Amino acid sequence: QSVLTQPPSASGTPGQRVTISCSGSSSTIGSNTVNWYQQLPGTAPKLLIYINNQRPSGVPDRFSGSKSGTSASLAISGLQSEDEADYYCATWDDNLNGWVFGGGTKLAVL
Amino acid sequence: QVQLQESGPGLVKSSQTLSLTCTVSGGSINSGAYYWSWIRQHPGKGLEWIGYIYYSGTTYYNAPLKSRVTISVDKSKNQFSLKLRSVTVADMAVYYCARLNTSWFDCWGQGTLVTVSS
Repeated sequence: QSVLTQPPSASGTPGQRVTISCSGSSSTIGSNTVNWYQQLPGTAPKLLIYINNQRPSGVPDRFSGSKSGTSASLAISGLQSEDEADYYCATWDDNLNGWVFGGGTKLAVL
Repeated sequence: QVQLQESGPGLVKSSQTLSLTCTVSGGSINSGAYYWSWIRQHPGKGLEWIGYIYYSGTTYYNAPLKSRVTISVDKSKNQFSLKLRSVTVADMAVYYCARLNTSWFDCWGQGTLVTVSS
């Protein structure tokens, strides 16, 4: 059972907008910034969003992040087939004193 | 462009010690700007942070693993290492080394699968 709760799956058709949620608590998302990682099949995770809504160089602006209270969201607009991957949210947990990840959301592009 | 590469045995016997090394290229562990981390992913599962080390040798571990984990750094080789003692089949996972930049993991190794045999 992950400290951060994500839906196990999400789907969309090419061109659509999809959002993935990440629910935490006051000791996690409520008091710390959130990062998102994309893991393409058979590869290592890659940083997608940091400090809630910042994109590293090279990440398309189709990807955006937001945070409100104890929840965060990742939005992907103009969905493409290459976006099919697992997506993980992550943050620091003040109670556990460690980094925690969501259980991951598998995104299917239909 | 910094790159990280894990190396070490892919098979460890139950009750023995898992040992992995991460070699950093394209940047120096000595820079002091980052923390150097280990993260694992059980087959078909999510990610679990194991711990990190600063170039000075300061370490911080995930509480559930703390009693069995040691992370060390070899600045002369630009490497850092993971030792996990008394492994069981529950420790079978893909182990990643990653660079922690302030509060996000911005660079990851490709990962190495460690199998535990009984």
